[in-house]
Amino acid sequence: AQKITQTQPGMFVQEKEAVTLDCTYDTSDPSYGLFWYKQPSSGEMIFLIYQGSYDQQNATEGRYSLNFQKARKSANLVISASQLGDSAMYFCAMRGLNYGGATNKLIFGTGTLLAVQP
Amino acid sequence: DSGVTQTPKHLITATGQRVTLRCSPRSGDLSVYWYQQSLDQGLQFLIQYYNGEERAKGNILERFSAQQFPDLHSELNLSSLELGDSALYFCASSVADLEETQYFGPGTRLLVL
Repeated sequence: AQKITQTQPGMFVQEKEAVTLDCTYDTSDPSYGLFWYKQPSSGEMIFLIYQGSYDQQNATEGRYSLNFQKARKSANLVISASQLGDSAMYFCAMRGLNYGGATNKLIFGTGTLLAVQP
Repeated sequence: DSGVTQTPKHLITATGQRVTLRCSPRSGDLSVYWYQQSLDQGLQFLIQYYNGEERAKGNILERFSAQQFPDLHSELNLSSLELGDSALYFCASSVADLEETQYFGPGTRLLVL
């Protein structure tokens, strides 16, 4: 079965510091995709970053980078230079399988609530 | 703004009732997905449509149904509503059906009283 695990229910970080949000995954599929989404208190889900399982380099998008360690099955999100607006829930997700093969459905972790302190 | 629109933003209804949630995907996107976010179940995939055809199904209750219309907008119908159906319902869209990033709408917050 496929599974995403986020072990940090909540975290604090000082403004302008870097923070790492942990994500581990489990899948038997040799080809998969990993995503991070941000959910502010207003409720919308905002796509942040994507990592394909065959990508040679770690994905980066502005202040976001994904520390992908395939052997450890981890896909941690690193936010550099935290800002107050980064305070939100962060979800790690994986593209899942369905009966009959690959699909594009997402399997989400339970999320990490990040609070950025001034 | 992701470009995915959902209406209504909020919905309050009573047990036993039926509601319809509407989603318009981003321009050019052929796939639509529905997800449910609740406190006890977290974020769960319900169903996916691609260019009008059902493509994948998740833990969607029999009381729930969905369809995607020729103009690619989608509707999620929830019937015989129960208190436990109270949740945030998201629609997402992507260009194709595989290997694509999904962009989420703002969600419809459903409260069943």
